[in-house]
Amino acid sequence: AQKVTQAQTEISVVEKEDVTLDCVYETRDTTYYLFWYKQPPSGELVFLIRRNSFDEQNEISGRYSWNFQKSTSSFNFTITASQVVDSAVYFCALSEAAEYGNKLVFGAGTILRVKS
Amino acid sequence: ETGVTQTPRHLVMGMTNKKSLKCEQHLGHNAMYWYKQSAKKPLELMFVYNFKEQTENNSVPSRFSPECPNSSHLFLHLHTLQPEDSALYLCASSRTGEDTEAFFGQGTRLTVV
Repeated sequence: AQKVTQAQTEISVVEKEDVTLDCVYETRDTTYYLFWYKQPPSGELVFLIRRNSFDEQNEISGRYSWNFQKSTSSFNFTITASQVVDSAVYFCALSEAAEYGNKLVFGAGTILRVKS
Repeated sequence: ETGVTQTPRHLVMGMTNKKSLKCEQHLGHNAMYWYKQSAKKPLELMFVYNFKEQTENNSVPSRFSPECPNSSHLFLHLHTLQPEDSALYLCASSRTGEDTEAFFGQGTRLTVV
């Protein structure tokens, strides 16, 4: 069965610090997709990134960067120079290839608190 | 305009009530989903609809009844719920296909009293 583990329940940092959110996954599929979502207090999940299992290239988008390592089944997310607006719950998710779209299995989430 | 809109945002209902949650998407997607987010469990997929046909039912109790009249609208009909059903119910939509992300609404915060 597929599983996503986010071992960090809650992280608190001071503004401008860098922070890394860990994500470890389990799957028997050779083709799969990994996602990160952000859930601010308003409730909706905001899509941040999608990565397929054949693309291990790391990605940087502004202050966000993602490190995908297939050898350790990890897909970690780093926020550089954190800001108060980054405070949210962050979810890592795994999707198996499906014709109808994606069937997401979510981790438990990591609460990030950025203090000014 | 928000891509995925859910109404109501908050709902309090008694265990004998019947209510419905509504979801509407303006993104031209063909797949729609209901997820449940409760305090004690990770986000759980409940139902999936693809081109109006239900393709997934994750062993959800029959007191939850989904309806998808067209690709843009999704409902979740609720009846005789239990207090443990209190949660945030999130609707999502996506394109069909393997490489696609889901877009979520803001959710309905449901409290069963």
